[in-house]
Amino acid sequence: DVKVTQSSRYLVKRTGEKVFLECVQDMDHENMFWYRQDPGLGLRLIYFSYDVKMKEKGDIPEGYSVSREKKERFSLILESASTNQTSMYLCASSGGEAGRSPLHFGNGTRLTVT
Amino acid sequence: AQKITQTQPGMFVQEKEAVTLDCTYDTSDQSYGLFWYKQPSSGEMIFLIYQGSYDEQNATEGRYSLNFQKARKSANLVISASQLGDSAMYFCAMREGGAGGGKLIFGQGTELSVKP
Repeated sequence: DVKVTQSSRYLVKRTGEKVFLECVQDMDHENMFWYRQDPGLGLRLIYFSYDVKMKEKGDIPEGYSVSREKKERFSLILESASTNQTSMYLCASSGGEAGRSPLHFGNGTRLTVT
Repeated sequence: AQKITQTQPGMFVQEKEAVTLDCTYDTSDQSYGLFWYKQPSSGEMIFLIYQGSYDEQNATEGRYSLNFQKARKSANLVISASQLGDSAMYFCAMREGGAGGGKLIFGQGTELSVKP
């Protein structure tokens, strides 16, 4: 079974802090993704990566950056956290041959910025 | 631009009855795939079923089936014989054939409640 692990289940940070959300997958997947989930809006793609050191902007990249130094690890960085970044953050991975391959998700990190 | 629309924010169904969750999509690609995920209150995202745009048959997985109507650009999820454990959020998602990195675009979700 694919396992995607997010380092924190709940996180509380102050406005202006630099925040790191970590994600590790154990299936040697090329593709990794960061989504945020908000009620009524579904899941929105922040950034994704299809290879080590490669990154692509999703639909809502503003205020975020990412890092992928190793294949199994994909980090989401909030350079200066703001209250509108309070949300559920979901990391996912998928195999190289996209096609029918579903995304495999971690359990999510619920971030609160006060 | 590709888009997924789920028009039912919330649905109720009686236990053991069937329920249909609606999903419409918009894409200019000929090659694409449609996915359904379940998210129980625990928060995990569980992959349920996949339908490819060139698949001739509607996809089925156990009690889940996908009513795929290509001309109408709809991909409704049908859950037969609902169980209490089916109470959850359900998301429809789409991958376009040329989507870099295999990204998925998600709809807003439908919250299903199964009544005993």
